[in-house]
Amino acid sequence: AQTVTQSQPEMSVQEAETVTLSCTYDTSENNYYLFWYKQPPSRQMILVIRQEAYKQQNATENRFSVNFQKAAKSFSLKISDSQLGDTAMYFCAFMKLSGNKLVFGAGTILRVKS
Amino acid sequence: GAVVSQHPSWVICKSGTSVKIECRSLDFQATTMFWYRQFPKQSLMLMATSNEGSKATYEQGVEKDKFLINHASLTLSTLTVTSAHPEDSSFYICSARDSYGYTFGSGTRLTVV
Repeated sequence: AQTVTQSQPEMSVQEAETVTLSCTYDTSENNYYLFWYKQPPSRQMILVIRQEAYKQQNATENRFSVNFQKAAKSFSLKISDSQLGDTAMYFCAFMKLSGNKLVFGAGTILRVKS
Repeated sequence: GAVVSQHPSWVICKSGTSVKIECRSLDFQATTMFWYRQFPKQSLMLMATSNEGSKATYEQGVEKDKFLINHASLTLSTLTVTSAHPEDSSFYICSARDSYGYTFGSGTRLTVV
């Protein structure tokens, strides 16, 4: 079974600074997807970024980028130029290529301070 | 982008009554939808996988007779909490697989009094 671990329950960052959220996972699969979702106080789950395991290039979406280390089974999220609107709970998630279930980590609460 | 509409956004019901939550994919067809339960500051807990035209698959420990799931069309799945009790109070979220990943509904806050 796959597991996803987010070891940082809470983090804070100053506005305009950069912050990195950690995520590790355990799987015997070779092909899979990894996701970062954001859940702001409204509790709407929003997709931040997606990474395909077969792609070596790290995914980026504007201020959000990942550091995907397949051998180490690590998938960290870097948020550059943090904004107050980035305050949210962030979830790392895993999905087998052949599957349809998302496996979530426990989440990291990120607070951006002004 | 893909949109999943979930209603109601909040509901208060009396203990012993039933509550239905709807989840609709607005601009795509979803053969599979998922129902989650979430407690404050915790992760999403998968309750069941809803398959269009067939029975739902429930996760271990989830009472299928209490949480009835119906997926009668490619755009609609419903979750009915039957004989609700205060311990069923929670935040329920649905999601559907789309072409890029998963899209989530906005969630339903259920309070049983």
